[in-house]
Amino acid sequence: RKEVEQDPGPFNVPEGATVAFNCTYSNSASQSFFWYRQDCRKEPKLLMSVYSSGNEDGRFTAQLNRASQYISLLIRDSKLSDSATYLCVMRGSTLGRLYFGRGTQLTVWP
Amino acid sequence: DVKVTQSSRYLVKRTGEKVFLECVQDMDHENMFWYRQDPGLGLRLIYFSYDVKMKEKGDIPEGYSVSREKKERFSLILESASTNQTSMYLCASSPRGAGNQPQHFGDGTRLSIL
Repeated sequence: RKEVEQDPGPFNVPEGATVAFNCTYSNSASQSFFWYRQDCRKEPKLLMSVYSSGNEDGRFTAQLNRASQYISLLIRDSKLSDSATYLCVMRGSTLGRLYFGRGTQLTVWP
Repeated sequence: DVKVTQSSRYLVKRTGEKVFLECVQDMDHENMFWYRQDPGLGLRLIYFSYDVKMKEKGDIPEGYSVSREKKERFSLILESASTNQTSMYLCASSPRGAGNQPQHFGDGTRLSIL
């Protein structure tokens, strides 16, 4: 079983829509969580860290549920520029290693 | 800003060749990582290093080796390239320690083995 599982999508939504991605993880000892964004044929880039109390960055809200072992990303008022693949990432306990989900593809259409 | 630089964006090599992929970071990070990314499979960790001359196998180390002679440089070596090693290779670095320390990626190297 993969350490991190996420729905690959694709999600196709109109501009202005709200879209949510969920991701589950298997290691209850996981320490840190992130969402990365990857544009087509580009490297992954950190979108935001996920804090235990939940956190918001503009139109993006990340939540962590340790009891159910899942994290989520909510995007409000979607823009065309939000079209990308979103990677759910968990930091394990070993030497800074990260575990990546396979990514959820989002397309925002006009 | 953290800068992770990979030596080539695109590389074409032949089966059986020894291939070197180089990665340099300028933020004095202790940890460095090599991944490959293939459609439908996501990012898979090949090797990582948490200090000079130290290395740890990731999930798919077969057919690869690494070298970390200096803190800023982490090299991935394909000992005898094969067509199934055609992929996008990504290098990343992060500082040591616990806490919310993300990894920063280079631009990637698209490697084709013919």
